[in-house]
Amino acid sequence: EVQLLESGGGLVQPGGSLRVSCIASGFDFRFDSMSWVRQAPGKGLDWVSGISVSGDSTYYADSVKGRFTISRDNSKNTLYLQMNSLRAEDTAIYYCAKPFGGTFDSWGQGTLVIVSS
Amino acid sequence: DVVMTQSPLSLPVTLGQPASISCRSSQSLVSSDGNTYLNWFQQRPGQSPRRLIYKVSNRDSGVPDRFSGSGSGTDFTLKISRVEAEDVGVYYCMQGTHWPPVTFGQGTKVEIK
Repeated sequence: EVQLLESGGGLVQPGGSLRVSCIASGFDFRFDSMSWVRQAPGKGLDWVSGISVSGDSTYYADSVKGRFTISRDNSKNTLYLQMNSLRAEDTAIYYCAKPFGGTFDSWGQGTLVIVSS
Repeated sequence: DVVMTQSPLSLPVTLGQPASISCRSSQSLVSSDGNTYLNWFQQRPGQSPRRLIYKVSNRDSGVPDRFSGSGSGTDFTLKISRVEAEDVGVYYCMQGTHWPPVTFGQGTKVEIK
């Protein structure tokens, strides 16, 4: 069974940084591209970032480009999202999802990031 | 970016009755490989999204056959033949043909009358 388990969310001040992680199991992580999708409180789904199987190619929504960095460690079956210069509008549940491209066939349970002073 | 527009945004339905959600894209979702990457997701209250339908009309394993997807080009529909209580939630269409970025519709909230 595919499992995606996010962690690392929390409360951070505007301008601060946070790194969220997603540990994958139940499939061969090395062979799937991955994504982060977020959902602000009471709002819809918003794609944030995607990464290729090797990590050589990364993609970002315009709203986070230059502030967020996606990465992966295939030896640890783990996906990361480093978030810098955080703003109030980045407050959301951050979901790890796979793969990236045509569809998302699996989602994690999400980790909540709150940006507030 | 491809804009996905869903209607209606709120859908009160009677148990046992059919329901239909429309999703329109700002450009054709036919990919250069001939596939149409239009997906439907269900998000029940307090839960993560779950994929129901991929490539317009392919139902995921475990999805009841009362759910069906149809359409082509820029115009797509999700139908529930007979709504059950467990179908309450928000439904999103998503295009994965023209990426990045992948884009979602605004969501349609299905509730029981």
